[in-house]
Amino acid sequence: DAGITQSPRHKVTETGTPVTLRCHQTENHRYMYWYRQDPGHGLRLIHYSYGVKDTDKGEVSDGYSVSRSKTEDFLLTLESATSSQTSVYFCAISESQLAGETQYFGPGTRLLVL
Amino acid sequence: EDKVVQSPLSLVVHEGDTVTLNCSYEVTNFRSLLWYKQEKKAPTFLFMLTSSGIEKKSGRLSSILDKKELFSILNITATQTGDSAVYLCAVDRYSGAGSYQLTFGKGTKLSVIP
Repeated sequence: DAGITQSPRHKVTETGTPVTLRCHQTENHRYMYWYRQDPGHGLRLIHYSYGVKDTDKGEVSDGYSVSRSKTEDFLLTLESATSSQTSVYFCAISESQLAGETQYFGPGTRLLVL
Repeated sequence: EDKVVQSPLSLVVHEGDTVTLNCSYEVTNFRSLLWYKQEKKAPTFLFMLTSSGIEKKSGRLSSILDKKELFSILNITATQTGDSAVYLCAVDRYSGAGSYQLTFGKGTKLSVIP
C-alpha cells in the first residue's frame, strides 16, 4: 500500500466551527489531491497540489481551502463547517501526471457536521 | 459538462456467476480510463486503459475500452464473496493549464452471495 495516512479518521463537529484535515505521505510524490465522496455523487475533486505552495481548485472547491508547506503534508480546511460538508474525505497522491501514472488513495476521514 | 455514467448502480449475483460492469463517458480531452475497487475504505487501483480494443487482465478480472463508442466494461468471472465491493470508473482528462484530473462515475455496488 502507498504510504498515505489521514488524520483524524473520524470527526464530529458543529456547524460554524473550523475543521482541518491532514493528509501525510511518505512516498515523496509531487501531486496530492483531496476528494469528497457522497452517496449519489461518487468521488469529486476539491483541491489538488502540484508542489509545495502550489495548489489549484477542483470541481467542488467552494467552502474549502488547502495548504501545502511540505512535500509530505497536504491540509484541507473548512473555515466554517456546514452540514452539507458532511462527507467522507479522501486524500490521494501521484508521482506525476504523466500518461500511465495513477493516483493512490488514503484511508479516508469521515466527517459529520451537526 | 463532462460525465461518467456507470451501470448498473447495484448488482447481486451468486458465487460462480460472471458479471459485466459498464462505464460510458462523455468528456473533453480524454487521456485514459481507470477502474478502482472500493471495499468500505480507500479505492484500490485495478486497471488503466488508454487504447481501444486491448484487453487488460488480472486473474479473474478483465477490462476493455472502446474509444469510438466511448465506453468500457469490467468483467469478473467465477465471482467470489471477496469480489463484493463498489467498482469505480474514472476518466483521466486534461483540465487545462498543464493539469490532468480524474472524473469519477457513481460506482457499481456488487454483492456476491454464497
